Amino acid sequence: EADIYQTPRYLVIGTGKKITLECSQTMGHDKMYWYQQDPGMELHLIHYSYGVNSTEKGDLSSESTVSRIRTEHFPLTLESARPSHTSQYLCASSELQNTGELFFGEGSRLTVL
Amino acid sequence: LAKTTQPISMDSYEGQEVNITCSHNNIATNDYITWYQQFPSQGPRFIIQGYKTKVTNEVASLFIPADRKSSTLSLPRVSLSDTAVYYCLVGPRTGGGNKLTFGTGTQLKVEL
Repeated sequence: EADIYQTPRYLVIGTGKKITLECSQTMGHDKMYWYQQDPGMELHLIHYSYGVNSTEKGDLSSESTVSRIRTEHFPLTLESARPSHTSQYLCASSELQNTGELFFGEGSRLTVL
Repeated sequence: LAKTTQPISMDSYEGQEVNITCSHNNIATNDYITWYQQFPSQGPRFIIQGYKTKVTNEVASLFIPADRKSSTLSLPRVSLSDTAVYYCLVGPRTGGGNKLTFGTGTQLKVEL
């Protein structure tokens, strides 16, 4: 079983609030990713990281930011949440030697009122 | 980046074999083919990965013809719990995780 954890699983907040979605993995993977997925729709890559102090933007533009201070931790932050940020956010990790095999967390479903 | 095309949906019955085909005409020499399964409100789960010919594991088989322009995921004797979305991805095995595009996938519905 994959050891990658996301918290919170569900979050309902008001517009303008700052939120941080946590993602941690215990597999020692160098690469980590954040995807955004609306119900019944495709997954879109919004951020990824090759390792500590490395962060890159993905294919879908996002107002969120990420940081990678520790190998195992890859949090995503929204400084001022808006209803358009309502979505499911999925964190994943992989080895550098096999980036085709991604291990996903269970996701964080964010609802902004 | 190799673009993939797969059927939007498929229906099957319990106990049947299901074959989902994915087209990837622009696959590059160093690209691998990877399949994922996703249940509602969960993250995708890796099923199988291959480069050419046939790969088999405990849950599925992957058939890749010599020209590698398509691949077929084969699920033997499906059950209701196999109802999910299945994604075909193409990309390099190393250094390329960020290049994987999930697409819309194939919604497989298994009935009694």
